[in-house]
Amino acid sequence: KNEVEQSPQNLTAQEGEFITINCSYSVGISALHWLQQHPGGGIVSLFMLSSGKKKHGRLIATINIQEKHSSLHITASHPRDSAVYICAVRGNTDKLIFGTGTRLQVFP
Amino acid sequence: IAGITQAPTSQILAAGRRMTLRCTQDMRHNAMYWYRQDLGLGLRLIHYSNTAGTTGKGEVPDGYSVSRANTDDFPLTLASAVPSQTSVYFCASSRAGTGSNTGELFFGEGSRLTVL
Repeated sequence: KNEVEQSPQNLTAQEGEFITINCSYSVGISALHWLQQHPGGGIVSLFMLSSGKKKHGRLIATINIQEKHSSLHITASHPRDSAVYICAVRGNTDKLIFGTGTRLQVFP
Repeated sequence: IAGITQAPTSQILAAGRRMTLRCTQDMRHNAMYWYRQDLGLGLRLIHYSNTAGTTGKGEVPDGYSVSRANTDDFPLTLASAVPSQTSVYFCASSRAGTGSNTGELFFGEGSRLTVL
């Protein structure tokens, strides 16, 4: 079992839909990152959080430390949100462990 | 230069050749990393450096070497490339230390390497 599991692996949505991507982990962490990678493109950091909730535009990230779970929500999804979303946790030894990503496609 | 820059963006080379992927950042970040990204796998750490003059091995260091002569540059060298090193390579950096803003990751655009 991977130390960081994301679900779903693939996700399709219609424009305007509310989207949730989940990340579960099995190790103690000091921080959790959500990253975005567009097809053929580089990787951009969306959020880094260690507790609670953060919001940036239409994106919301939450984390529950006790349950070792984080969610990334996208409100009013748009085709430009189509990308791979990657969860990564920074363990207590400062090592980063990456999930395999969730591929999101939003259709107009 | 703005942020973190990798070069080349794409390269095809014959097995056995030596190759250096370049990475430069202008954010004065202490920590730098090299990852490889392969289909179906998460990003895997090859080597890292917590500060200029120091380097460490990641999960998959074999066949790769790095140096950190100064804060800005962190080149990755494949001494004798093999086909299994065909991958997309990402360089990343972050501020080191404590505090709520440290640890955010900044990635380069990636270098697509094909070893034939």
